[in-house]
Amino acid sequence: DAGVTQSPTHLIKTRGQHVTLRCSPISGHKSVSWYQQVLGQGPQFIFQYYEKEERGRGNFPDRFSARQFPNYSSELNVNALLLGDSALYLCASSLDAGGNTGELFFGEGSRLTVL
Amino acid sequence: AQSVTQLDSQVPVFEEAPVELRCNYSSSVSVYLFWYVQYPNQGLQLLLKYLSGSTLVKGINGFEAEFNKSQTSFHLRKPSVHISDTAEYFCAVSEYGGSYIPTFGRGTSLIVHP
Repeated sequence: DAGVTQSPTHLIKTRGQHVTLRCSPISGHKSVSWYQQVLGQGPQFIFQYYEKEERGRGNFPDRFSARQFPNYSSELNVNALLLGDSALYLCASSLDAGGNTGELFFGEGSRLTVL
Repeated sequence: AQSVTQLDSQVPVFEEAPVELRCNYSSSVSVYLFWYVQYPNQGLQLLLKYLSGSTLVKGINGFEAEFNKSQTSFHLRKPSVHISDTAEYFCAVSEYGGSYIPTFGRGTSLIVHP
């Protein structure tokens, strides 16, 4: 069975550019969450989507946006990149809200380097 | 809002020795608790979880954790570690009846020496 898949796995951008990261959840999972993990730190919550609607947003600037598609895949967009946006971006999927406990299933991440 | 404190940023230990990784949480309501492991250049993998019932929880790879409500702790233990256990370990908490969006600690790096 396919787990959570993310693309691209690695990418390099320069300051001011825009980036789009993509995520496909585990089959049957309707919720997708995005986390930012800076080197040496724990994952920081960015967004959660369920059934194409935003259910939660972390403390990130408006340069960060996301959406979820009818097939439950998701995109994370970051505009006007800063050096501090360099991080591993993790996507995680979870079961629907009825049985949700907060248990997440993670992809392997997209490593973004901003030069 | 919930929070998690992992008291040790790094824990070095020799192979076959026991290990305990400490985690304390803060919340005003009932919680669910998780430990995840992250190997180099990989995503996070669930080790074990406490949802309800027995306070001693067993997970994969021989790890276990004990939920202590009075001390608001959820420490992770293994009686005998292997070189392959070298990784980052993250404790996480989500609130029952809330958003269920988990908050993660900053992680503990377990380094197993031969």
